[in-house]
Amino acid sequence: AQKITQTQPGMFVQEKEAVTLDCTYDTSDPSYGLFWYKQPSSGEMIFLIYQGSYDQQNATEGRYSLNFQKARKSANLVISASQLGDSAMYFCAMSPISSGSARQLTFGSGTQLTVLP
Amino acid sequence: NAGVTQTPKFQVLKTGQSMTLQCAQDMNHEYMSWYRQDPGMGLRLIHYSVGAGITDQGEVPNGYNVSRSTTEDFPLRLLSAAPSQTSVYFCASSRLGGRALGADTQYFGPGTRLTVL
Repeated sequence: AQKITQTQPGMFVQEKEAVTLDCTYDTSDPSYGLFWYKQPSSGEMIFLIYQGSYDQQNATEGRYSLNFQKARKSANLVISASQLGDSAMYFCAMSPISSGSARQLTFGSGTQLTVLP
Repeated sequence: NAGVTQTPKFQVLKTGQSMTLQCAQDMNHEYMSWYRQDPGMGLRLIHYSVGAGITDQGEVPNGYNVSRSTTEDFPLRLLSAAPSQTSVYFCASSRLGGRALGADTQYFGPGTRLTVL
């Protein structure tokens, strides 16, 4: 069984500052992927960044980076230079990785980020 | 390239009615899945498919049926709607890419907001 924990229901950050959204996970799968999705008020789920459990380097995608600490089972999302458009709900998720298997995503409960002008 | 499309965007049903939520993708993805999102929660997996003719249950399958006759389409059927099925439904798709970096990232449709009275 997999579990994702996001302990910050809400976060505030000043525009242009960096913010870290916390995510811890638990799994018995030897290989897994970690994902962050953004859900703006319009409701769609937007993929942001991916980290494989076997990846040696932390993933980066533009202003997004994933601080992956495997021993601590954490996969925190760092957003640099926050923008007003970053205000949204952010979900951490994970899935097992093995050839031909289900890619069931297990989601956390989300963090509502508000960027202040 | 439209990605993942879902219809309808909104639907109101009466208890006991049946309906089908449509999902289509044009990315030739092998893997497709249906999730539901209840207020204040992350997404939970209903059913998934790893290819045409192959489906399986996720975490919350009761009250829903699926079929996969083509690679592109993965409809979700509500057999006899209940108020507990009031939710936002998301369809997602991905490749079954094994260990390639990010190969199995799931991309979501815009969602269907369903209300059962």
